[in-house]
Amino acid sequence: NAGVTQTPKFRVLKTGQSMTLLCAQDMNHEYMYWYRQDPGMGLRLIHYSVGEGTTAKGEVPDGYNVSRLKKQNFLLGLESAAPSQTSVYFCASSYSSRGRAPNTGELFFGEGSRLTVL
Amino acid sequence: AQSVTQLGSHVSVSEGALVLLRCNYSSSVPPYLFWYVQYPNQGLQLLLKYTSAATLVKGINGFEAEFKKSETSFHLTKPSAHMSDAAEYFCAVTRWGGRRALTFGSGTRLQVQP
Repeated sequence: NAGVTQTPKFRVLKTGQSMTLLCAQDMNHEYMYWYRQDPGMGLRLIHYSVGEGTTAKGEVPDGYNVSRLKKQNFLLGLESAAPSQTSVYFCASSYSSRGRAPNTGELFFGEGSRLTVL
Repeated sequence: AQSVTQLGSHVSVSEGALVLLRCNYSSSVPPYLFWYVQYPNQGLQLLLKYTSAATLVKGINGFEAEFKKSETSFHLTKPSAHMSDAAEYFCAVTRWGGRRALTFGSGTRLQVQP
């Protein structure tokens, strides 16, 4: 019963390095999201995807890129990491109502990926 | 645009006391409202949700919340706190349609004193 799985769970980078966070969900959900969590700021939406091959910007997209080549995977990339990107990153998913019970907005979260940029 | 405001970044109660975590929302259309809980070093778990049915919503672990449109509030309560309730709690809002992404409040950390 995996749900939403994030890898890696921990990573330390030096300023300027690049990396990719992988999110995988096994619930056949159409929608996927990347959030970052910082103390006192709650969770803020970075990018999201409403289906395979589509992505869109959230409220804090700068410095990040995403791709959704397969329905079950949503990748978050940092091309040139900066200390301001030190954070805990959460992936989440939800489903389209088509053919199912109405989507009432609930998101299903992974356990998070803690990234430190030195 | 939609937003939520959580009053009080830290709340401390004694074991057995009433828990009250405050959340006010702003939304241009009828909202869906949520409370999530995050235990240390874990992801977010849904406590309860309001989706325009009953205004008093019961969730897991004895928590409940009441949607009050006139006050634009969705406060979380529990009659008697338990040590295991110590966690961070997030209020969130979304509206039907569109990208369905949740907008989160800044969170309230609940401490339970023995």
